[in-house]
Parts: sequence; structure tokens; C-alpha cells
Amino acid sequence: DAGVTQSPTHLIKTRGQQVTLRCSPKSGHDTVSWYQQALGQGPQFIFQYYEEEERQRGNFPDRFSGHQFPNYSSELNVNALLLGDSALYLCASSTGTLYEQYFGPGTRLTVT
Amino acid sequence: GQNIDQPTEMTATEGAIVQINCTYQTSGFNGLFWYQQHAGEAPTFLSYNVLDGLEEKGRFSSFLSRSKGYSYLLLKELQMKDSASYLCAAGQTGANNLFFGTGTRLTVIP
Repeated sequence: DAGVTQSPTHLIKTRGQQVTLRCSPKSGHDTVSWYQQALGQGPQFIFQYYEEEERQRGNFPDRFSGHQFPNYSSELNVNALLLGDSALYLCASSTGTLYEQYFGPGTRLTVT
Repeated sequence: GQNIDQPTEMTATEGAIVQINCTYQTSGFNGLFWYQQHAGEAPTFLSYNVLDGLEEKGRFSSFLSRSKGYSYLLLKELQMKDSASYLCAAGQTGANNLFFGTGTRLTVIP
């Protein structure tokens, strides 16, 4: 049984560019949450998707957007990249309860 | 508002016991979680407390006092592989996300 998978593993982008990160949830999970983890910090909640809709959003600008597909996989899009967007982006899947949240290995984004 | 405080770094000796403290302030508290995160890896779930008291799970135990907004993670018989960051996180009623602290980086020395 595959756990949460994310792609790509690492990514380098230039300021102003756009990026798309992908996540496949653990089998049986229908809810996907995205977190941003800056170096030396704890993860910060970006948003959560359920039934192909954004169900909840953290304190992130509109440059951060997402999508969930019918197979429950999800994408995170970030437009107009800033240097401060450099971070580890974590995807977590669950059946909707906090207790069962499983994290993927993350995508390391570097903005130069 | 929400706030979680935990020490930034701790060092302990192999075979010893270490206690990592966490204080939190959050509206609509819905459980306290501890995660372990090795460098460059995803956080992995360790424990969950929603009622006051101690939850024991092998070498790891977690304690919660809701009235004091306080939790701790206790690691016994420390092993070198326990060197990692330990993240304290709070759940909120009506919300489906976790609010994380900055994490405590634990270094286990021989």
C-alpha cells in the first residue's frame, strides 16, 4: 500500500515564475491538505481540499491556489514566485479527521 | 489567536530520558499532537491527546493538561536514531488543519 507521494522531489525556480506541485494521497484517503515548512520552522497550513473543492484556507495570499481531481490527487500552484516562497511543501492526506493525517515526503522548492 | 511554544533545541545522552515541553493557546481546542521529523523527511505521527492525562506507547509517552494549556513528550531509553525534530501541534474544533509549533531539535549523544 503506497503512502502519500509527491512530485517533484526538488525544484529550482526563478523569481516571478510559476510552479505546480503534485500529490497523490494514501489509498482510501479523500482529503488533501497542503503545508509550507520554511527552514527551521514548523509546517504552516495553506489549504485543504475535499470533494474537489477548497474546504479551508490558511493565511496565504491568492498567489497560492490548488486543485483536487476526481481520483483525490491534488496540485498546488504558486504564481509570481518570491524568494520567501523557498520552503519544503508538504502534502498530507486523511479521511477528514486530524487523527489520521499522513504526510508525504515533500517537495523542496528553491526560488532564486 | 493561536500560539505554540516549545524549546528550540535539546541535547540528551543515549539511554537517558528526555522530556520535551509544549505550551499552547488556541480557541476551540481539539487535541494535541506530537510528530517526529528527521532532517529532510516528512513528519510522522507519534501521539494524540484530547483528554487530560498520560498516554503511553512503548518508549514514548505524551501528557496533556487542558486547564494549563500544557503538554509534554517523554522519550525513554534514548537511541541515536531518536535524534530528530519533535513538532507539537494543536487541532481546533471546526477546523481540519493542524497548527504547528516551530519544533524542538533533539540531539542524542553517545
